[in-house]
Amino acid sequence: GEDVEQSLFLSVREGDSSVINCTYTDSSSTYLYWYKQEPGAGLQLLTYIFSNMDMKQDQRLTVLLNKKDKHLSLRIADTQTGDSAIYFCATNYGATNKLIFGTGTLLAVQP
Amino acid sequence: DSGVTQTPKHLITATGQRVTLRCSPRSGDLSVYWYQQSLDQGLQFLIQYYNGEERAKGNILERFSAQQFPDLHSELNLSSLELGDSALYFCASSAANYGYTFGSGTRLTVV
Repeated sequence: GEDVEQSLFLSVREGDSSVINCTYTDSSSTYLYWYKQEPGAGLQLLTYIFSNMDMKQDQRLTVLLNKKDKHLSLRIADTQTGDSAIYFCATNYGATNKLIFGTGTLLAVQP
Repeated sequence: DSGVTQTPKHLITATGQRVTLRCSPRSGDLSVYWYQQSLDQGLQFLIQYYNGEERAKGNILERFSAQQFPDLHSELNLSSLELGDSALYFCASSAANYGYTFGSGTRLTVV
């Protein structure tokens, strides 16, 4: 079945770059997403990438996709304390566009 | 405000009871998705509706049911509640493949 995996925790210093990694199993996924969840809040769509792209940049965010290895990453440049949150990657699955989410990576930014 | 409205925000109820969670999707979105988020299970897909019809079913218990009404709002009914049903329940809506828009969730506590 479909599966999406992420590391559970990442700690960085303010101003450094953060790289959050994700692997998935469903090679038929056409869209891959990154969501951010702050404490007590819902999930906020950060960015997405089509499966025929290798990279997408959006201000401080860079998404890299390695389709061969089924590996997705999110790089946050100049990480700020406000970036502290849980980051989820997700892939769409099947004709109904159901999203399968990873376990989430807790990003802790140290001042 | 994401445009997806969930009510109530918090719900405390006793085991064995039945509750109804409500979701109003973003204007124009025909698809509604329900997810359960708990510490041990992560984000689990429950069910999807599209324009009033069930499109996909995930790990939804038989004690749970949902529907989408002609005005596109959706309700998730949880019955014979158990302690293990305590979780955050999210509704999301989408118009196409550009990701979901999530509501802020309903926190259910079963005591």
